[in-house]
Amino acid sequence: GAVVSQHPSRVICKSGTSVKIECRSLDFQATTMFWYRQFPKKSLMLMATSNEGSKATYEQGVEKDKFLINHASLTLSTLTVTSAHPEDSSFYICSAAEPLAGGSIEQFFGPGTRLTVL
Amino acid sequence: GESVGLHLPTLSVQEGDNSIINCAYSNSASDYFIWYKQESGKGPQFIIDIRSNMDKRQGQRVTVLLNKTVKHLSLQIAATQPGDSAVYFCAHGNQGGKLIFGQGTELSVKP
Repeated sequence: GAVVSQHPSRVICKSGTSVKIECRSLDFQATTMFWYRQFPKKSLMLMATSNEGSKATYEQGVEKDKFLINHASLTLSTLTVTSAHPEDSSFYICSAAEPLAGGSIEQFFGPGTRLTVL
Repeated sequence: GESVGLHLPTLSVQEGDNSIINCAYSNSASDYFIWYKQESGKGPQFIIDIRSNMDKRQGQRVTVLLNKTVKHLSLQIAATQPGDSAVYFCAHGNQGGKLIFGQGTELSVKP
């Protein structure tokens, strides 16, 4: 199956700093990538949809200036948490989508990035 | 609005027994439904999916049932093993590709 990687797997940063998380599709080209956030014992919450070469589409309630998303190539999307605060601590998961016949897409998930803001 | 939820937050079964995990959804326009398994500290792992025009689909040791009349989805795991211990999420999607996840059920398998 398709492989999606994330880097780093975990990061600890000081409050006020910015953190960049990379999401890569290793063996396929992904025109669309998705970014999710997950709190402990909770479900995945979609943050934004990222399309290669265009601006990301953010879900309601997600601050686009806080969570900067760049999808510069068909195999790489980045999420930058700007001016991070302790409440931004969470598990961030990306998925890369591969189009299927019939117009639907299949999402392949990365292993996640654990962000801890001190 | 759209929502996908699970009836039970936790489920404990004996090794070798069958497990049934349930999910209710509200959006009747969903095109497909997917079950994911998530182990601690990892990303979701695809288990099985079913399109909205189907009622049942079987995989290896897993079966997904879809009841569109009552908007209910279930995942059946046969002969549950300790390695099946994880959190299971249902999700629904449409042609646009966005997935909406349910709340998750934590499955514990007792040896």
